[in-house]
Amino acid sequence: QLQLQESGPGLVKPSETLSLTCTVSGGSVSSTGYYWGWIRQPPGMGLEYIGTIYYTGSTSYNPSLKSRVTISKDTSKNQFSLRLSSLTAADTAVYYCATEEALFLTGAMDSWGQGTLVTVSS
Amino acid sequence: QSALTQPASVSGSPGQSITISCTGTSSDVGGYNYVSWFQQHPGKAPKLMIYDVSKRPSGVSNRFSGSKSANTASLTISGLQADDEADYYCSSYTSSTTVVFGGGTTLTVL
Repeated sequence: QLQLQESGPGLVKPSETLSLTCTVSGGSVSSTGYYWGWIRQPPGMGLEYIGTIYYTGSTSYNPSLKSRVTISKDTSKNQFSLRLSSLTAADTAVYYCATEEALFLTGAMDSWGQGTLVTVSS
Repeated sequence: QSALTQPASVSGSPGQSITISCTGTSSDVGGYNYVSWFQQHPGKAPKLMIYDVSKRPSGVSNRFSGSKSANTASLTISGLQADDEADYYCSSYTSSTTVVFGGGTTLTVL
């Protein structure tokens, strides 16, 4: 049973870069056929896809965030990470990490972390 | 990419059936059979209920079913129960090789 746990700062300043990590247990970020992704949800609003990284290292990003997003993975630590730059208050959200086991990306993420609230404020 | 369109809210009485729609375009919902549905209770992470338009993950009740016609996908919940009260989100793979979510629908069980 895969388990995911997000970690990172709860408060970041405008214009700074957010770094979040998702630690995976019960599986490996190197396992064949897994997509590892990030999704966010502003308070009281809906879900927004940020991007994913495949076990091969290839990435897919939301076009509206692509210029500010980098998703990477560290196989030695069994973690994958999100970096989001040039933060504004609009980036305040609960950030979830999630995974999908598939040969190609479909969006059917069946394991999720509990989410971590990130507030962008000076 | 624009969010998929869902009704803001739906409601039904216990035992009844309800349907939630999810409308996109030929570049997402209409172009691929990769529509998923998620259930989210307050303060909790989303839970996958339907994938590939109409498939149920192991452990999900058969009261939940999915379908698609042209650019609109639908989630039907039959035999409504109090615990079904939650927010529901659809998602779809897109021609940009990404994923897009719907705006979400709040289900109220009367």
